[in-house]
Amino acid sequence: DAKTTQPPSMDCAEGRAANLPCNHSTISGNEYVYWYRQIHSQGPQYIIHGLKNNETNEMASLIITEDRKSSTLILPHATLRDTAVYYCIVRVVRGAAGNKLTFGGGTRVLVKP
Amino acid sequence: GAGVSQSPRYKVAKRGQDVALRCDPISGHVSLFWYQQALGQGPEFLTYFQNEAQLDKSGLPSDRFFAERPEGSVSTLKIQRTQQEDSAVYLCASSPYRIPTPGDTQYFGPGTRLTVL
Repeated sequence: DAKTTQPPSMDCAEGRAANLPCNHSTISGNEYVYWYRQIHSQGPQYIIHGLKNNETNEMASLIITEDRKSSTLILPHATLRDTAVYYCIVRVVRGAAGNKLTFGGGTRVLVKP
Repeated sequence: GAGVSQSPRYKVAKRGQDVALRCDPISGHVSLFWYQQALGQGPEFLTYFQNEAQLDKSGLPSDRFFAERPEGSVSTLKIQRTQQEDSAVYLCASSPYRIPTPGDTQYFGPGTRLTVL
């Protein structure tokens, strides 16, 4: 799986949009971008995924650049409950390598009132 | 509905003891995963089951680690002769999908925190 690079931490203001960047410059054509988050003392939680088109769901939006070498997770209106570690994961969805999620260090997001 | 549950939530073991960690996946989920998360790190894959078949155990760190899912539902991760380096949170996840499938997602339990003294 391609490796990802994320800033180790970031702060954002409650009620504002939070934009979380992720670099995955070695991504290949059959690899998807997944985002999970992990709130303190809980297991990771799925947020969103995409291949090349931008995606939106009730939790967030995912913007993938045209060359697919980077992406941004957008939390449109951050709340205090969004404080968590956010993981950007690049994953091939076939074969044995697709059996697992490969987590990096993630971005520790602190939402401040 | 009920999510993935794990028990015990906390386990303290003396070095050399055997431990067994239980995972109850979401009912009907085909796929089940175990991950290990060291303090301050992201989770690392240990093993994957599809129903009762263990299809991938490439992440198990040594032959002291053994996982089973005999009836395709509940799973147990067993660690024999525990060492201090085994101290971590052990996460279980399940999925309704046969992995891998585009769009598949994994639902994680809260984890078992193992401390080996």
